[in-house]
Amino acid sequence: DSGVTQTPKHLITATGQRVTLRCSPRSGDLSVYWYQQSLDQGLQFLIQYYNGEERAKGNILERFSAQQFPDLHSELNLSSLELGDSALYFCASSPLFPGGAGDEKLFFGSGTQLSVL
Amino acid sequence: AQTVTQSQPEMSVQEAETVTLSCTYDTSESDYYLFWYKQPPSRQMILVIRQEAYKQQNATENRFSVNFQKAAKSFSLKISDSQLGDAAMYFCAYRPPRYYGGATNKLIFGTGTLLAVQP
Repeated sequence: DSGVTQTPKHLITATGQRVTLRCSPRSGDLSVYWYQQSLDQGLQFLIQYYNGEERAKGNILERFSAQQFPDLHSELNLSSLELGDSALYFCASSPLFPGGAGDEKLFFGSGTQLSVL
Repeated sequence: AQTVTQSQPEMSVQEAETVTLSCTYDTSESDYYLFWYKQPPSRQMILVIRQEAYKQQNATENRFSVNFQKAAKSFSLKISDSQLGDAAMYFCAYRPPRYYGGATNKLIFGTGTLLAVQP
């Protein structure tokens, strides 16, 4: 168990809908990362937050947004869903300030499997 | 742009034997991190081993070791005494240098190698 909790584990929805994925990082970890794993694109970095602030963006669609709350949990919001958004969405956390020693240790959650029908 | 290539979509090994998974990458940087992650059927991403580019010594974690060839930009994973529990998808990943600031854990993954372990 990595200590990173993601809910729900599975989500089935229809095209055009909006969903929210939730992530609780390991206790004490201030950085949260979202990754997408799909058959077409493989594993891709989406976005990173540190202590409530956005730190880096990857290949995240404009229909997607994320935030990190004061209690450090994070939510990934996916709207106007398309069939191609079906994927496994991972959250990961790391213990230290980005760029600090030891920050390369990423702990992944078990993912949320999103199926868009 | 940095890229990571895993040229072996699938590999198979007999239990107790040794197998090597290949990974090559492309970067113009000199200081970076390389990782091997394991993804079993449970889908959990598990860190197997990591290598810091400025360290010449190859990393080792129990039965797992790497052959890091910096000039050749090659980073292979050797699994010794393979066990049934080693069966999984293995991903090679690159992480930019620390001085990239906020994007330091923007991992770039290869496409994975599916390892089967035969009893």
